[in-house]
This record gives sequence, structure tokens and C-alpha cells, in this order.
Amino acid sequence: DADVTQTPRNRITKTGKRIMLECSQTKGHDRMYWYRQDPGLGLRLIYYSFDVKDINKGEISDGYSVSRQAQAKFSLSLESAIPNQTALYFCATSDPRQGPDTQYFGPGTRLTVL
Amino acid sequence: AQSVTQLGSHVSVSEGALVLLRCNYSSSVPPYLFWYVQYPNQGLQLLLKYTSAATLVKGINGFEAEFKKSETSFHLTKPSAHMSDAAEYFCAVTFTGGGNKLTFGTGTQLKVEL
Repeated sequence: DADVTQTPRNRITKTGKRIMLECSQTKGHDRMYWYRQDPGLGLRLIYYSFDVKDINKGEISDGYSVSRQAQAKFSLSLESAIPNQTALYFCATSDPRQGPDTQYFGPGTRLTVL
Repeated sequence: AQSVTQLGSHVSVSEGALVLLRCNYSSSVPPYLFWYVQYPNQGLQLLLKYTSAATLVKGINGFEAEFKKSETSFHLTKPSAHMSDAAEYFCAVTFTGGGNKLTFGTGTQLKVEL
């Protein structure tokens, strides 16, 4: 079984809809991250969480919110989706005790906003 | 602020030829540098990382990279390309105290031709 899973893997939605992307991990890592990937732009950090009570904005957090329900779960929400949020979204985890630590990525969620 | 620049968004090599993917970094403090690979329809996977120990770092699948402080570079090489190396490659940087917030380059798509 994969250590970092994301659901759904693909989603098509309409402008204005609320969308939640979910991430679960079995690696036991405290740190979790959400990125979006756009062609030619690489990966950009949306939000990150160092533990259940610590959530921080990344470089492109506008239009997004997150929830860290447990050590193993970190959800990303788009409150009112817009077409320029069409992208590939990745969740990642890391363990600072392995520092400088490596991030482990999920398989991604491809989101299309019409 | 830290950043990485990947020269060449697309690189094409013949099978058996040398692979050279370029990455230059900018950091006001000693950096930690990473190369990740993304195969089609998959998440990112760590190839190798530089953590201030040896300047020549060996990774998986025959790849290696050399940290050159004087040139602010961390280029990725492989002596002989294989068809299975076709993927997108990302360079990333963080630094001590950076909370493992990685800054990614824009990626280089490697094509391997017969």
C-alpha cells in the first residue's frame, strides 16, 4: 500500500463549487504539505502543517483553506473554485528527525474547474 | 530569499548518451539541495540530496550531482541514458532553519530517443 494517498485522483467541477481534496499518510510523519503544479511553473506551496495544531500559509494560499484532522490526515479545500485553480495538486509529508528531511509525495489529484 | 533556476525546460538525448540537467541556486545561507523525478501520472520521487557532507552525491538509477559552491550549481548527470529515464526532473532548495519549505525549480522534461 502507498504511504501517502490522495483522494480523489481526478475531479472535474464547476466554477463556484466547494471542493475538498484529501490526503492520508501511514508514514507517521508530523509534517504535511499541499502543493499545486502548473506546467512551466514547477511546484508551489499552498499550505503546510508541522503538527495538528500548527498550520501555516505557503506562497499561494489565497482561495484555499486546510484542515489537519489528525496526524495522518490533511485536507485542502477550495471554498469557491475558479478556473485558474485547475492544476495538479500534491500532498507531501516529511519527518524533521531525518533532517534535512526529505519530502514524500502522494500520487496527485488532477483538478479541472470549468 | 532562496531560489533555483533550471536551464532548459526540455532536454532530448539519445539512448546511451550523457544526461546533463542544469540547476543553479541562490541562497544567502548554506543550502540543502535536492533532485526529484516525476514519471508520467505519478508523484515526485527523491533522486538524491546534498546535505553539506560530500559534494558529489550519488542517487538512485545511476544519477549523481555535484555541489559547486563557486558556481552556485547542482547539476544532475547520468553517464548513459536509458529509455526509462524519460521523465520530468525538479531541482529544489531549502536551508537550515527553513522548516524544510522546499523551493522548486520549474522543471526539465527529459526525452530519451532511440
